[in-house]
Amino acid sequence: GAGVSQSPSNKVTEKGKDVELRCDPISGHTALYWYRQSLGQGLEFLIYFQGNSAPDKSGLPSDRFSAERTGGSVSTLTIQRTQQEDSAVYFCASSFVMNTEAFFGQGTRLTVV
Amino acid sequence: QKEVEQNSGPLSVPEGAIASLNCTYSDRGSQSFFWYRQYSGKSPELIMSIYSNGDKEDGRFTAQLNKASQYVSLLIRDSQPSDSATYLCAVANSGGSNYKLTFGKGTLLTVNP
Repeated sequence: GAGVSQSPSNKVTEKGKDVELRCDPISGHTALYWYRQSLGQGLEFLIYFQGNSAPDKSGLPSDRFSAERTGGSVSTLTIQRTQQEDSAVYFCASSFVMNTEAFFGQGTRLTVV
Repeated sequence: QKEVEQNSGPLSVPEGAIASLNCTYSDRGSQSFFWYRQYSGKSPELIMSIYSNGDKEDGRFTAQLNKASQYVSLLIRDSQPSDSATYLCAVANSGGSNYKLTFGKGTLLTVNP
């Protein structure tokens, strides 16, 4: 597709369940980012992938959060044992390489009940 | 000290006026600077990028960068009600071993008809 694609658009899950969020970046983009945005708050960095290098996981809030990127393309963000404070919109973005313009997907709104 | 700072606003301007949005950053090694627009409930949309000192114009938008002062701004000329949104400043740097694309919390702009 032409843009960054995220799925699902919305996810409601019960507390304690695991969820997987998917991101399909723009074709040819080597850099991929995950951010989350809680209601009324700014964008919080979670994790960054650049090509085949080890990802920068410094923003992951706890060990319940993990992410992988297969074949340098599609990425999956996994949240285990979800908590209510995980409720937020999770955004994925991609850029051609680092330091270049990053484009965002439409986000996944996660609600933990 | 916050890495990227913006006045949260709200900044209110009349239709047709110039809106001036400001951003300061703490890392002198920052290399790339971006402005995003985010409508309520939507994902961030890239509107400007700037990489070197000076001004960069694109239509009604002008980005200004002063690396010595660690300051970047966005001017919106002939503001329209459709410009009402939150404007996010993003700063990229690849100092050390980690690349970071850090966002400010955003400035809410309201353009009054």
